[in-house]
Amino acid sequence: ETGVTQTPRHLVMGMTNKKSLKCEQHLGHNAMYWYKQSAKKPLELMFVYSLEERVENNSVPSRFSPECPNSSHLFLHLHTLQPEDSALYLCASSPHTGTSGREQFFGPGTRLTVL
Amino acid sequence: GQSLEQPSEVTAVEGAIVQINCTYQTSGFYGLSWYQQHDGGAPTFLSYNALDGLEETGRFSSFLSRSDSYGYLLLQELQMKDSASYFCAVNQAGTALIFGKGTTLSVSS
Repeated sequence: ETGVTQTPRHLVMGMTNKKSLKCEQHLGHNAMYWYKQSAKKPLELMFVYSLEERVENNSVPSRFSPECPNSSHLFLHLHTLQPEDSALYLCASSPHTGTSGREQFFGPGTRLTVL
Repeated sequence: GQSLEQPSEVTAVEGAIVQINCTYQTSGFYGLSWYQQHDGGAPTFLSYNALDGLEETGRFSSFLSRSDSYGYLLLQELQMKDSASYFCAVNQAGTALIFGKGTTLSVSS
């Protein structure tokens, strides 16, 4: 596989469920990101990992918990979500370390619906 | 505070030229990026301007004026497949990219 992959592509969950989103990049990049994209709103940065260390957390509710076990994998653990958390969750990677990754490569996203 | 402004929608016909503007307010500005996103797809990186002037990549060009806090994406010889959303994004010190709300481009025959 090449590029940035995300699984699952679609997820429907209840508010009491626990699920995880997975992202994998095959580009040898050192920085990875989680974004939330809701209709008619700009991409919202959630988390940034650079060299497997979390370097930015944009005031995201604790019901979202990221994990970066190595430079190729990124997870987003979800628990007790709310209906307003329904959105497209995008993972991205960048060859530029640190927070200012100007050229980012995005995965196809996970379309999340919270019932 | 930080903000980016771009038009919400632009329409054009095949073969035409269209310009999508982006104005920004930010501190510690490094550069301006542009991304394309087709409906249901992932954003794709198009270009990055750190210095004033025009960068050309095939049918697409991007321009930056740091003194005016302004940039634009120029799409030439429009094709139907160019119908998509286009996002400008500011690359600034100490934080990751800040994205605009996006411009939906509709190309008709």
